[in-house]
Amino acid sequence: EAQVTQNPRYLITVTGKKLTVTCSQNMNHEYMSWYRQDPGLGLRQIYYSMNVEVTDKGDVPEGYKVSRKEKRNFPLILESPSPNQTSLYFCASSGALNTEAFFGQGTRLTVV
Amino acid sequence: GENVEQHPSTLSVQEGDSAVIKCTYSDSASNYFPWYKQELGKRPQLIIDIRSNVGEKKDQRIAVTLNKTAKHFSLHITETQPEDSAVYFCAASGHDMRFGAGTRLTVKP
Repeated sequence: EAQVTQNPRYLITVTGKKLTVTCSQNMNHEYMSWYRQDPGLGLRQIYYSMNVEVTDKGDVPEGYKVSRKEKRNFPLILESPSPNQTSLYFCASSGALNTEAFFGQGTRLTVV
Repeated sequence: GENVEQHPSTLSVQEGDSAVIKCTYSDSASNYFPWYKQELGKRPQLIIDIRSNVGEKKDQRIAVTLNKTAKHFSLHITETQPEDSAVYFCAASGHDMRFGAGTRLTVKP
């Protein structure tokens, strides 16, 4: 089954404790991206990747890192999480830039 | 970069009525305009999309119109049903994809 898989689905952590949210797709898609969803603000892009070893900042990259060492994986790294990073995070992939984006199940992160 | 504005933020209609959601975008290089539906607690899923070389596209009760000159596009849902209740996001994609802030649609039985 074609899918985008994120883990974990829920995470509660403390300020400053490094964490990684994983994202994997099995559709051989080149384009992957991370979004955060906050009430009233919609989906804001954090980082995106056009292909392996190619990443670029979105609208809200501060406090986040990403890597794209393999085509199927695009992890989101929070080196030192802060409470303002409490949000619902979605990973998405698409075959090319201007085509349908397939979203993961979402990761609800709470930083206390 | 691209800026997408979406209106209204909330919309309530009676079952059977039509619903219209409007979006504007800023980057003339954008050429792909998808609409996503997000049901409560679920991931966004594509419901319809349109490319810049087309002015209108229809799929059963859902239609999207695009005015490239004015840089705006709209989602039209006819004969609304309670299961249409969700948050709807428009997006514009050119150099990258940007989403609107979303519209929470409630269809009252």
